[in-house]
Amino acid sequence: EDQVTQSPEALRLQEGESSSLNCSYTVSGLRGLFWYRQDPGKGPEFLFTLYSAGEEKEKERLKATLTKKESFLHITAPKPEDSATYLCAVPDSNYQLIWGAGTKLIIKP
Amino acid sequence: KAGVTQTPRYLIKTRGQQVTLSCSPISGHRSVSWYQQTPGQGLQFLFEYFSETQRNKGNFPGRFSGRQFSNSRSEMNVSTLELGDSALYLCASSPRQGEETQYFGPGTRLLVL
Repeated sequence: EDQVTQSPEALRLQEGESSSLNCSYTVSGLRGLFWYRQDPGKGPEFLFTLYSAGEEKEKERLKATLTKKESFLHITAPKPEDSATYLCAVPDSNYQLIWGAGTKLIIKP
Repeated sequence: KAGVTQTPRYLIKTRGQQVTLSCSPISGHRSVSWYQQTPGQGLQFLFEYFSETQRNKGNFPGRFSGRQFSNSRSEMNVSTLELGDSALYLCASSPRQGEETQYFGPGTRLLVL
């Protein structure tokens, strides 16, 4: 069964304290892995797409990496405005996205 | 380019009623997907429409239905509302069917009393 698992469920960091979020997946044939950011009361905002193991993408303080079994979202020197829930998703064989439950990130000033 | 818009933003209904939610995709996007988001279940796929045809459907009862118009705008309908239907309903658009990069609207918050 296709599945996406994110850890930890919640992460509290001090401003400037770098860390990583994990997204592990089991899917028959990876067709991409997507990272989104969601602020309270809003729809998810697209961040990155990764397609092959070893691929990396960066945006400001965020860097996403991909292996054959998991993806990491590295956050370097985060700021309070980086606080949000980060979601990852992978397409199933019908190209419909299967979503993880998300990691709620809180950055304290 | 304007983003995905959804109306209404908030809605309160009572059990047994029905509700219709509306979504206008990004201009030029022809695929519209609907999701239900709850704290317990996370984001769950409802259905996808492309060229006025439902292309994929998630595991939801027949009370959940939708349609797409020739201008790509979409509506979803929930009949005989249940308390468990309280959720954030999200619409996402993409240029083509099966295009995995989806762009989400702000959602409609539905509360069923």
